[in-house]
Amino acid sequence: SAVISQKPSRDICQRGTSLTIQCQVDSQVTMMFWYRQQPGQSLTLIATANQGSEATYESGFVIDKFPISRPNLTFSTLTVSNMSPEDSSIYLCSVDTGLGYEQYFGPGTRLTVT
Amino acid sequence: QKEVEQDPGPLSVPEGAIVSLNCTYSNSAFQYFMWYRQYSRKGPELLMYTYSSGNKEDGRFTAQVDKSSKYISLFIRDSQPSDSATYLCAMRRDKLIFGTGTRLQVFP
Repeated sequence: SAVISQKPSRDICQRGTSLTIQCQVDSQVTMMFWYRQQPGQSLTLIATANQGSEATYESGFVIDKFPISRPNLTFSTLTVSNMSPEDSSIYLCSVDTGLGYEQYFGPGTRLTVT
Repeated sequence: QKEVEQDPGPLSVPEGAIVSLNCTYSNSAFQYFMWYRQYSRKGPELLMYTYSSGNKEDGRFTAQVDKSSKYISLFIRDSQPSDSATYLCAMRRDKLIFGTGTRLQVFP
């Protein structure tokens, strides 16, 4: 398994500002993922971040809005830029162990945009 | 049509009951089937996974996959109040696709 921590655990931000969420894993992993979880909805994949390459974004998500960094095999950041109330959500970091089925999640960052 | 459908519940049962949670899916390419448990204000926790069709048992939990019907189930025996959480099914092709989750409450 993998132990994942996220910072901050929650934040309240003003419209138009940006927030950077950090994800730290206790072991080296190849693939890291960022998800969004809105109330009453399933987890939605924002992007996949591999170390040493550009992140791959899912349909509906763009790099200008959600820039991602992956400087090494244990760390990644997701920035939510120029926030609006529609960005209020839980943002989750996840890692793939490489076994094909085991994917682990961090505790999430609860973001409220006012 | 969503790729993965899951009854959102909520499902409320007395302690000791057998709980059945279900998901249907439309994409026959899915090979790995997972169940995650998510407690309030926590991240999803991998509970069980199954590859292809069949059953898998782990303590009070049993996962079933019926690929011919595109239907998966999670059974919880002797349910406990500590099982109260949201249960999400997930399926994998090139990436994980999640159901919306079923809220379960087990009352004493």
